[in-house]
Amino acid sequence: QKEVEQNSGPLSVPEGAIASLNCTYSDRGSQSFFWYRQYSGKSPELIMFIYSNGDKEDGRFTAQLNKASQYVSLLIRDSQPSDSATYLCATRAGVSGGYNKLIFGAGTRLAVHP
Amino acid sequence: DVKVTQSSRYLVKRTGEKVFLECVQDMDHENMFWYRQDPGLGLRLIYFSYDVKMKEKGDIPEGYSVSREKKERFSLILESASTNQTSMYLCASSSSPTSYGYTFGSGTRLTVV
Repeated sequence: QKEVEQNSGPLSVPEGAIASLNCTYSDRGSQSFFWYRQYSGKSPELIMFIYSNGDKEDGRFTAQLNKASQYVSLLIRDSQPSDSATYLCATRAGVSGGYNKLIFGAGTRLAVHP
Repeated sequence: DVKVTQSSRYLVKRTGEKVFLECVQDMDHENMFWYRQDPGLGLRLIYFSYDVKMKEKGDIPEGYSVSREKKERFSLILESASTNQTSMYLCASSSSPTSYGYTFGSGTRLTVV
C-alpha cells in the first residue's frame, strides 16, 4: 500500500512567522507532488505542485522536494490568520498506479494566531 | 469560472433510499474521481473513471456504484443508503496522465437519517 504521511497537527504559529509543513512518501516511483489547502467545510484547492528536486517558489509559498529522502515540504512565509486551514500533501502514483491517481496524506492542520 | 460542479451542496436522505450524486466538469478531462472525506480518515477513494463507460474500484467501493455515460459527467450511486454513508462527498477531475493534479468540486454533504 503506497502511503503519504503527514503530521496531523495542529501546527500553531504566530502571525508573520514561517510555517513549515512536512510530508513523506513511500513510493519511490512517485513523480509529481502536490499541496492542497482545505478550509473547514470547503473542498481542497491546489496551491503548489513540484516535479523536480529542489525548491519552487510562488509568492509566500515555497515547495521543497527531496526524492532521495522521499520527503516534500511546504513553507509559508509571513503567515497570516487566513492561512489557517488543513494542508494536504499528495503524490501522483507511479507506474503501478497508472499515472492517473493521486495518493493523499491525511493532512496537517495549521493555525496562525494573531 | 466554475469547472467541476456537484449538483447538491447539502442532501438529507432516509435509510434505504437510492441516492444519486452528480458531478459535471467542463475541462474535457479524461479522469474523474469520487472521494468521501470523514474527520480523522482523510480522503478515501470510492471509484474512478479514466474514460467514458470505464470505471475502476477505489479503496472503499462497497455500497456504491458509478456511471459515466458522457465524458463530462460522473455519477455516484448509493444503492441503499445507510447511516454510515453520512459523509462529505467530493468529486474531482484531471487530465491524463494526472500531471497537474485534480480539480475538486465544491462537495456534497450527505446526511442519511
